[in-house]
Amino acid sequence: DVKVTQSSRYLVKRTGEKVFLECVQDMDHENMFWYRQDPGLGLRLIYFSYDVKMKEKGDIPEGYSVSREKKERFSLILESASTNQTSMYLCASSLSWDRGSYEQYFGPGTRLTVT
Amino acid sequence: SQQGEEDPQALSIQEGENATMNCSYKTSINNLQWYRQNSGRGLVHLILIRSNEREKHSGRLRVTLDTSKKSSSLLITASRAADTASYFCVVSGYSTLTFGKGTMLLVSP
Repeated sequence: DVKVTQSSRYLVKRTGEKVFLECVQDMDHENMFWYRQDPGLGLRLIYFSYDVKMKEKGDIPEGYSVSREKKERFSLILESASTNQTSMYLCASSLSWDRGSYEQYFGPGTRLTVT
Repeated sequence: SQQGEEDPQALSIQEGENATMNCSYKTSINNLQWYRQNSGRGLVHLILIRSNEREKHSGRLRVTLDTSKKSSSLLITASRAADTASYFCVVSGYSTLTFGKGTMLLVSP
């Protein structure tokens, strides 16, 4: 089974703190994604990566950065957390689109509260 | 990438009944996927149908795709309480996915 794990299920941080969310997948997937999910807004793509050290902005990258130093690990960084970044964060991975595969596998999510 | 729009927004049925959810989209697609999200198992891929397919089955799930009408439907037969979840239609071009707001399905015992 594909497994995508996220470092924390729940996280509480203060405004202005630097926050790291970690995601690890064990299926040698090329693509990795970070989404946030908010009531009434659905899932929105923050960043994705199609290879080590490569990253692409999604729909809402402002206030976030990412790091992918190893194929299995994709980190989301909130440089200076703000209350409007309180949300559920979901990580996902998939095979390369060149292989004709589009199914994404999701982690359990991290519920981040910024106070 | 574009967004699929699910209809209805919410659906409430009894166990054993069938549940049908619909999805509409606006431009051409490479494939269309359905995902389910519940509190127990998180967000899980259910089924993918390619643009050259018209119908696909997986267990109690049946998905249809009508590219001329730019629409898809997901049928869950003989529903169970465990099917209670949000269901998302995700249309895909050739890159990233965009999730709609989903259909919330409640299956009562």
